[in-house]
Amino acid sequence: ETGVTQSPTHLIKTRGQQVTLRCSSQSGHNTVSWYQQALGQGPQFIFQYYREEENGRGNFPPRFSGLQFPNYSSELNVNALELDDSALYLCASSPVASGGPETQYFGPGTRLLVL
Amino acid sequence: GENVEQHPSTLSVQEGDSAVIKCTYSDSASNYFPWYKQELGKRPQLIIDIRSNVGEKKDQRIAVTLNKTAKHFSLHITETQPEDSAVYFCAASKGRGYSTLTFGKGTMLLVSP
Repeated sequence: ETGVTQSPTHLIKTRGQQVTLRCSSQSGHNTVSWYQQALGQGPQFIFQYYREEENGRGNFPPRFSGLQFPNYSSELNVNALELDDSALYLCASSPVASGGPETQYFGPGTRLLVL
Repeated sequence: GENVEQHPSTLSVQEGDSAVIKCTYSDSASNYFPWYKQELGKRPQLIIDIRSNVGEKKDQRIAVTLNKTAKHFSLHITETQPEDSAVYFCAASKGRGYSTLTFGKGTMLLVSP
């Protein structure tokens, strides 16, 4: 098991509501990436945070936003929830090195259901 | 952007057989290729990875090969066991210091006793 933790484990919301998901990165890791995994699909990149700044973003609308804190933990916020936002939300942490991409270690995910 | 194709989508083998899963990528700048195993309801777990300066890597029953010219890489599992049953994802990444993963759609591997 990795040292990446996420909360909550499950969440049920209704359309139009807002949700905040949380992630604690593995010790020594200063980069956090968020992914959305729809049922039967591979994870899709939402965005990445490094040193408290957004470092890259996938093809997701602005109602998906995030934060990273000085202790490298992170939040994913989704406003105006839609039915299609129902998915497993995964965060992954990685160390930053100058030599190239580093291994990403995933948390257990938060399963969001939007009704 | 990067596009990763993965085949087959499902793979059924008998215990003890070998299993091969193949992926192709589109961006020649990609230089890191991890494979993740995801059991039902669990997190993706890294099982092996390879960087573009290496053609093959082995770890016990698992091996990964990379052909940069053809832009494809493969996962090989030998002597499969029922506990190998899971969904396997390939991914590709590029960049220096920090980067994102582009995943394939996954292969459901079923190993029958």
